[in-house]
Amino acid sequence: GENVEQHPSTLSVQEGDSAVIKCTYSDSASNYFPWYKQELGKGPQLIIDIRSNVGEKKDQRIAVTLNKTAKHFSLHITETQPEDSAVYFCAATYSGYSTLTFGKGTMLLVSP
Amino acid sequence: GAGVSQSPSNKVTEKGKDVELRCDPISGHTALYWYRQSLGQGLEFLIYFQGNSAPDKSGLPSDRFSAERTGGSVSTLTIQRTQQEDSAVYLCASSLDRSGYTFGSGTRLTVV
Repeated sequence: GENVEQHPSTLSVQEGDSAVIKCTYSDSASNYFPWYKQELGKGPQLIIDIRSNVGEKKDQRIAVTLNKTAKHFSLHITETQPEDSAVYFCAATYSGYSTLTFGKGTMLLVSP
Repeated sequence: GAGVSQSPSNKVTEKGKDVELRCDPISGHTALYWYRQSLGQGLEFLIYFQGNSAPDKSGLPSDRFSAERTGGSVSTLTIQRTQQEDSAVYLCASSLDRSGYTFGSGTRLTVV
């Protein structure tokens, strides 16, 4: 089955800096890669996703890049703000399968 | 409803007791998922429902765990003879297709 590795496990940045979280996956058939943000006491919330027919997707301050050859994808957050502090999870699946496989999460701390 | 609703939000139970966790998905969402999140860990897949059937229950950790879904809507996850290692946050998600999960806020289960 699919295996997703996520790094780093924790990331501390100063407000205004950029943050990058990286994930690798094992199953070359995977073609859907969402990112979730989980705030304390809440369930994960989808923030951005990318499908394997594109290499990059942006939504305001967040972007995701995908390298199918290397089987890795990354989340980029620019101009970080304290409210970006949360745990971020990457995930992967392929359209013929129904469940997402998640990475172990990255705790992002943005200091004012 | 507007989101995925889970109840109870917190549950403390004695070792050996049975517990039932409830998930009310977004109206019209045909797919429903249960995940488990242990402290500091990622999201561990438990079971997936499409309508009332469970085509993938491969993640259930033991025969003490079972789940059902009725009317293509509400789902109940039952843990029999709870053990301390069952302590975790149990998350439910629903989706209209095989992407775009919407998670509930979870049930925090503590077995004492």
